[in-house]
Amino acid sequence: SAVISQKPSRDICQRGTSLTIQCQVDSQVTMMFWYRQQPGQSLTLIATANQGSEATYESGFVIDKFPISRPNLTFSTLTVSNMSPEDSSIYLCSGGTEAFFGQGTRLTVV
Amino acid sequence: AQKITQTQPGMFVQEKEAVTLDCTYDTSDQSYGLFWYKQPSSGEMIFLIYQGSYDEQNATEGRYSLNFQKARKSANLVISASQLGDSAMYFCAIRNTPLVFGKGTRLSVIA
Repeated sequence: SAVISQKPSRDICQRGTSLTIQCQVDSQVTMMFWYRQQPGQSLTLIATANQGSEATYESGFVIDKFPISRPNLTFSTLTVSNMSPEDSSIYLCSGGTEAFFGQGTRLTVV
Repeated sequence: AQKITQTQPGMFVQEKEAVTLDCTYDTSDQSYGLFWYKQPSSGEMIFLIYQGSYDEQNATEGRYSLNFQKARKSANLVISASQLGDSAMYFCAIRNTPLVFGKGTRLSVIA
């Protein structure tokens, strides 16, 4: 089973700033996935990140707001840009078989 | 499009009793996977159990078992001998890449 490390685990940010979340997998995986969980809601896929190509974004999510990097087969970052209070959520990454997730990043925008 | 329905927003169970959390799904794919996750208040998503659409036996993992009824498109999670630490949100998900999640069921275990 893959071990996925995600950081930071939580942050409180000022509106208008950006936060970059890191996700590290302990083995090489082809695809990595980024999800958002708004308060009291279920998980929604933001994008799928393949190494060496641009991420594929789901409807309602755009690269300018959520730029993703995938520099190698074990690492990815998600940036939440120009944050507003509506971006307050838990952000989770997963990789490979998708069964396992990182610990999540609880973001609060004030 | 794939869809997961969890009809129980909240459930209560007495400690040491068994509880069933309902999950129905909709997919036109022949090959798919079904997952259950536990999400405690910390926010992390903990993988519990997996059932492949071609698996003939119901999946089991310790106190967790998955009651898979393919014709009815249901994949209920059974937790036996509930413990106080089982209190959490539980999500059912289906995969034909990527995962699609249900709305979740909040389980509260009462001493």
